[in-house]
Amino acid sequence: NAGVTQTPKFQVLKTGQSMTLQCAQDMNHEYMSWYRQDPGMGLRLIHYSVGAGITDQGEVPNGYNVSRSTTEDFPLRLLSAAPSQTSVYFCASRPGRWTEAFFGQGTRLTVV
Amino acid sequence: SQELEQSPQSLIVQEGKNLTINCTSSKTLYGLYWYKQKYGEGLIFLMMLQKGGEEKSHEKITAKLDEKKQQSSLHITASQPSHAGIYLCGADPSFSGNEKLTFGTGTRLTIIP
Repeated sequence: NAGVTQTPKFQVLKTGQSMTLQCAQDMNHEYMSWYRQDPGMGLRLIHYSVGAGITDQGEVPNGYNVSRSTTEDFPLRLLSAAPSQTSVYFCASRPGRWTEAFFGQGTRLTVV
Repeated sequence: SQELEQSPQSLIVQEGKNLTINCTSSKTLYGLYWYKQKYGEGLIFLMMLQKGGEEKSHEKITAKLDEKKQQSSLHITASQPSHAGIYLCGADPSFSGNEKLTFGTGTRLTIIP
């Protein structure tokens, strides 16, 4: 049981480049979320999804796009990377509200 | 939106001592989660509290949710080096409505041998 898998683990981008962070879960969870973690800021919610075809914005959505075409996958797209997007990104999934969230190991992104 | 404030932001404790971390919400908590993160790694679920006055324990870690359901505390008894890391509280924002799971700013715990 792989749980929540994030790829890549590390990435360096140049300002203006685009890329997609991948997140996949094999637990058939309806809810999936993306967070970013900056020093002293805890986890901040970027986007979330409550099922295939349904997404919504979190606290810090600007500069990021998401889609959810399948239950398993929830990719996060950076269309034009900026240095302010340098952070550690975590994907999480859970069965529903008031349930434990399972986290991936994170993607460390540096934008230069 | 629901805001979660954790205190203290960082804590340095001698091994064997007890410690408490607090999580305070601006709104009623309908689901409160405690997670631990080792430096550079993912988050590990510790426990979840839902009912006012509820208390749960796991090994030497005890978490409580106060009766008014706006504050939770995490208490570690006889701390060990393995307890070091970042502790995060998370919450479901409301009984009904959106499903955002949000987190506090975290408490960095250092254990001195």
